[in-house]
Amino acid sequence: QLQLQESGPGLVKPSETLSLTCTVSGGSISSSGYYWGWIRQPPGKGLEWIGNIYYSGNTYYNPSLKRRVTISVDTAKNQFSLKLSSVTAADTAVYYCARPGEVGATTWFDPWGQGTLVTVSS
Amino acid sequence: SYVLTQPPSVSVSPGQTASISCSGDELGEKYTSWYQQRPGQSPLLVIYQDTKRPSGIPERFSASNSGNTATLTISGTQPMDEADYYCQTWDSNTVMFGGGTKVTVL
Repeated sequence: QLQLQESGPGLVKPSETLSLTCTVSGGSISSSGYYWGWIRQPPGKGLEWIGNIYYSGNTYYNPSLKRRVTISVDTAKNQFSLKLSSVTAADTAVYYCARPGEVGATTWFDPWGQGTLVTVSS
Repeated sequence: SYVLTQPPSVSVSPGQTASISCSGDELGEKYTSWYQQRPGQSPLLVIYQDTKRPSGIPERFSASNSGNTATLTISGTQPMDEADYYCQTWDSNTVMFGGGTKVTVL
């Protein structure tokens, strides 16, 4: 059974870089042929897609975040990571990692990780 | 940018039918998915490719997509169906979510 688990600091200072990692178990990032994604949800608000990455490193980003986002993959560790630079309080959110539902495509997301809350505050 | 519009809230009595709309320009030309999110939990996929239910999702969840509107229908709504529901689509490798609808079972 595929499982995803987010990890990283729960508190980041304004103007710094938010860094999170998603560890995949029950399946291989490199051999599965799937993209892997990040989605966030500010407290009390809706879902916002951040971006997707393929095991080869090919990425797609939300145009509204593209300037500040980098998603990378480490196939040896079966992990993919998110970096969001120059954060402000508006970046405070629960960050989820998830897998699109079809091989080699951007589609629906299933399954999702449990999410991790990142607060931006000095 | 492409926008998906959902009503903020829907109320339904137990055992009745709840319908949640999701509107977007020519949405019927794209695939739509739906997620259920209970408080404190991760989103759960309940519908994909407009009408398909993942394994384990009850048959009371159904959906359609035509024209500019996709609709999620919950038949025989149960108290456990009280949650936020989000529609989602994609185009040219860009993903969009609706703003979410809070379903209250009164």
